[in-house]
Amino acid sequence: NAGVTQTPKFQVLKTGQSMTLQCAQDMNHEYMSWYRQDPGMGLRLIHYSVGAGITDQGEVPNGYNVSRSTTEDFPLRLLSAAPSQTSVYFCATQSSGNTIYFGEGSWLTVV
Amino acid sequence: DQQVKQNSPSLSVQEGRISILNCDYTNSMFDYFLWYKKYPAEGPTFLISISSIKDKNEDGRFTVFLNKSAKHLSLHIVPSQPGDSAVYFCAASGGNNNDMRFGAGTRLTVKP
Repeated sequence: NAGVTQTPKFQVLKTGQSMTLQCAQDMNHEYMSWYRQDPGMGLRLIHYSVGAGITDQGEVPNGYNVSRSTTEDFPLRLLSAAPSQTSVYFCATQSSGNTIYFGEGSWLTVV
Repeated sequence: DQQVKQNSPSLSVQEGRISILNCDYTNSMFDYFLWYKKYPAEGPTFLISISSIKDKNEDGRFTVFLNKSAKHLSLHIVPSQPGDSAVYFCAASGGNNNDMRFGAGTRLTVKP
């Protein structure tokens, strides 16, 4: 039972490069989201999706794009990486209740 | 602005004693509160929750208390065990999927 799977787990990017963080879930949840975790800031919502074909911005969306072509997948794209995007990224799904299920995280360093 | 605050970045307790982790919130629209536990190199996992219609919820060694008038909640772990050593995040929601806010986390260390 995989739950929420994120890849890659670790990535180093140069400033200006683009990349995609992949996220897949097998829980058949409509709601998916991306968070970033920074020291002293907790978890902040980047983008979210309430179902296939529907996405919206969270607290900190600038510099990121998302798409939701299927229920299972919710990739996060960094358009032009900046050092301020060095962070730990968590993909998550949410059931009909308020409980969020997180992936294991992707550690991104932008140099 | 941080709507959910965990003012203690770290807490250290002895095995067998009580751990009390605190959380304050500012948004009166929040009506559902959760605690998540995070081990290093893993994603946060759900621990316990409480709705605003209650002031206490208990699950084994874990109890969450909610004081709505003070906009304060706390997580009690009794008795604390070394395996409880982790970062604990408090979270609050107003009922919409996109409005959940997390605190900065408290690192709990339980010493044997």
